[in-house]
Amino acid sequence: GQQLNQSPQSMFIQEGEDVSMNCTSSSIFNTWLWYKQDPGEGPVLLIALYKAGELTSNGRLTAQFGITRKDSFLNISASIPSDVGIYFCAGRIIRAGNMLTFGGGTRLMVKP
Amino acid sequence: ETGVTQTPRHLVMGMTNKKSLKCEQHLGHNAMYWYKQSAKKPLELMFVYSLEERVENNSVPSRFSPECPNSSHLFLHLHTLQPEDSALYLCASSQGSWTANYGYTFGSGTRLTVV
Repeated sequence: GQQLNQSPQSMFIQEGEDVSMNCTSSSIFNTWLWYKQDPGEGPVLLIALYKAGELTSNGRLTAQFGITRKDSFLNISASIPSDVGIYFCAGRIIRAGNMLTFGGGTRLMVKP
Repeated sequence: ETGVTQTPRHLVMGMTNKKSLKCEQHLGHNAMYWYKQSAKKPLELMFVYSLEERVENNSVPSRFSPECPNSSHLFLHLHTLQPEDSALYLCASSQGSWTANYGYTFGSGTRLTVV
């Protein structure tokens, strides 16, 4: 099946720093989604991307759909303690219908 | 509140017990999913019910049995579980369609501990 390689697996940063994480695959995706999971909760959708090259922001978060359609990145600017959590990328290919493939997650820890 | 409600939030059960996890969605979606999330492992898709068609991951043991009586309710029946089945079980729903580009909406999960 399709695999999404998400990196880094974990990050420990200082409050105020910018963060960047990405997902890559050998498959072509037609949708990229980024989720955040707070401790003890389910993942919540942050940003959805539908077109190659698309750049979308949600507050301090910015995500891009790679031109090759095989990758995506998520940036967080000026991190704050509540950014702590696990960030997941997810992608969908056309022949998989509505089935999503999830990356392994990036665990973000922010030091005040 | 995401519109997907899971109960119970926490469950401790013995290996000989039988229990059920419940998921209910109030979003008008027509596809529902069970995922298993273990520590330091990727989300593992267990079962999908989409447009009344069931899709399952063949690696899921038979001690897990799903039931989807209608498009708003999903159950996961558990029996004779093993300690390694301890995990966070997440339910999700979506507007299932071959052309729709919608993400999944997740519930808060049931934290299961098998003793």
